[in-house]
Amino acid sequence: DTEVTQTPKHLVMGMTNKKSLKCEQHMGHRAMYWYKQKAKKPPELMFVYSYEKLSINESVPSRFSPECPNSSLLNLHLHALQPEDSALYLCASSQAGADTQYFGPGTRLTVL
Amino acid sequence: AQSVTQPDIHITVSEGASLELRCNYSYGATPYLFWYVQSPGQGLQLLLKYFSGDTLVQGIKGFEAEFKRSQSSFNLRKPSVHWSDAAEYFCAAGSGGYQKVTFGIGTKLQVIP
Repeated sequence: DTEVTQTPKHLVMGMTNKKSLKCEQHMGHRAMYWYKQKAKKPPELMFVYSYEKLSINESVPSRFSPECPNSSLLNLHLHALQPEDSALYLCASSQAGADTQYFGPGTRLTVL
Repeated sequence: AQSVTQPDIHITVSEGASLELRCNYSYGATPYLFWYVQSPGQGLQLLLKYFSGDTLVQGIKGFEAEFKRSQSSFNLRKPSVHWSDAAEYFCAAGSGGYQKVTFGIGTKLQVIP
């Protein structure tokens, strides 16, 4: 099973809202990732968690707050977002120390 | 700096025709190489990967890719394209044990009847 699930599929939020994106995998992977993808662009890495610890933060604004409560779950907490944050947010996972990343279907976020 | 180049932003092929999508990389050492496919509004699906060994790699959906060290290339091929292959294709590269993967800009494939 190489499935990564993400909820919700779509999210519309105002600039003052607080919301969370959720990602889950049951492949035993110990590395999990958040990417942001704008239309017609490749995914841009935001965060990497390795063994539930944040290992890479690509200088992402603090209005995005990641959390890895256990080895299967990854959350992205959103607060005071801007319209330019509207994008497809992708979660991925991999074996720790390996590069083959398996992606979820994404959450389409719209900020009004 | 590490980079992945996909020179073709958009390619149109007829259904049943052969396909080759180009990918060149610039890395300090031979990287791990991947091809992903993305349908509109969907996540990325791994087509194939190259780590070492046989330079011709077979993937899912009838795709294959050939690693050529001398040309720093990892081109994706399919002998006969189906309409369902229309999608965005991303080439990507990473270094062993390092979790940051570099993506190319993507090639959009259009398939015409």
